[in-house]
Amino acid sequence: AQSVTQLGSHVSVSEGALVLLRCNYSSSVPPYLFWYVQYPNQGLQLLLKYTSAATLVKGINGFEAEFKKSETSFHLTKPSAHMSDAAEYFCAVRGTGFQKLVFGTGTRLLVSP
Amino acid sequence: DAGVIQSPRHEVTEMGQEVTLRCKPISGHDYLFWYRQTMMRGLELLIYFNNNVPIDDSGMPEDRFSAKMPNASFSTLKIQPSEPRDSAVYFCASSWDTANTEAFFGQGTRLTVV
Repeated sequence: AQSVTQLGSHVSVSEGALVLLRCNYSSSVPPYLFWYVQYPNQGLQLLLKYTSAATLVKGINGFEAEFKKSETSFHLTKPSAHMSDAAEYFCAVRGTGFQKLVFGTGTRLLVSP
Repeated sequence: DAGVIQSPRHEVTEMGQEVTLRCKPISGHDYLFWYRQTMMRGLELLIYFNNNVPIDDSGMPEDRFSAKMPNASFSTLKIQPSEPRDSAVYFCASSWDTANTEAFFGQGTRLTVV
């Protein structure tokens, strides 16, 4: 069965600092991986997705993630945090042939001035 | 397309009452998912449909919960009778029938059972 593990329920950074949110996956088949963002009182919005076309994936709002099969990781990064990046971030996996998305427990990103 | 539309956005009800949450998926999507989000349990998949047929309802917590999809443009999640522990945000999402596409989420329904 597919699963993802997000390390750290909360991550705090200063504005302008590097953002690194960690996600490790478990899948018996080549996975499709997704990062979603949830702003307060809103639904989940797709940031980016890995679909095997390229290991480095660029998403919206300056975020990117790199798929590393050897490490079974798909960490989310942004070079310089902005106050508006404060939100909850979810990593999700969907295995080939399985249509349901399995989500991690989420990481809340806090950005201080 | 207006995206996935859920109604109501907020619902406050008394324990024991029936609650019905509604969802209109994106036109053309083959899959519809119902999720529940709480602080304690995070985001849980309750049930999902393919072409209006329930595929996996193993996440439905109890018989008090039921979901239907009478046609491709409408789904309901019903709780009867409701209990305080059902208080959560319920999300509906939809997607196309390919594994490399994402699910699109609605804004959610915040349910409070008092």
